[in-house]
Amino acid sequence: EAQVTQNPRYLITVTGKKLTVTCSQNMNHEYMSWYRQDPGLGLRQIYYSMNVEVTDKGDVPEGYKVSRKEKRNFPLILESPSPNQTSLYFCASSLSTVRSYEQYFGPGTRLTVT
Amino acid sequence: GDSVTQMEGPVTLSEEAFLTINCTYTATGYPSLFWYVQYPGEGLQLLLKATKADDKGSNKGFEATYRKETTSFHLEKGSVQVSDSAVYFCAFTNAGKSTFGDGTTLTVKP
Repeated sequence: EAQVTQNPRYLITVTGKKLTVTCSQNMNHEYMSWYRQDPGLGLRQIYYSMNVEVTDKGDVPEGYKVSRKEKRNFPLILESPSPNQTSLYFCASSLSTVRSYEQYFGPGTRLTVT
Repeated sequence: GDSVTQMEGPVTLSEEAFLTINCTYTATGYPSLFWYVQYPGEGLQLLLKATKADDKGSNKGFEATYRKETTSFHLEKGSVQVSDSAVYFCAFTNAGKSTFGDGTTLTVKP
């Protein structure tokens, strides 16, 4: 089944404890992206990757890191999480960045930082 | 810069009512436009898309037309059902950067 998977689905952690949220897609998509969803703010892009070893900042990259060493994986790293990073995170992928291709979303990771 | 402005919600309708959710955008160039839907507890999924001016996207009774002259992509459905209750997002991607509206929550009552 074609899908985007994220792990973990739920995570409660403490301020400053490094964490990684994994994202994997099995559709051989070139494009991958991370978003955060907060009430009243819609979806905001954190980082995106047009292909392996190519990553760029979205609108809210502060406090996050990403890497794209393989086409299928795009982990999101929080080196020192803070309470303002409590949010619902989505990973997405797309066949390419050519204008007509839609994004496929993972089920989301709900992160709470205390 | 790029932006999407969606009609503010929440929107509450009775079953079989007509639905319009307004979406206007600001973008450099002419990107493809998308409507995504998010059901409770799930990720977003594509509802419909349009790739160029005057294109009409349609799916599950929903429609939206890419209007270049008014920079709009309003979502419509002639007769909503309880199962349409969800959050709807208007969006586009431009050179890799994706821009989403704030989302409009629709509740349909029997």
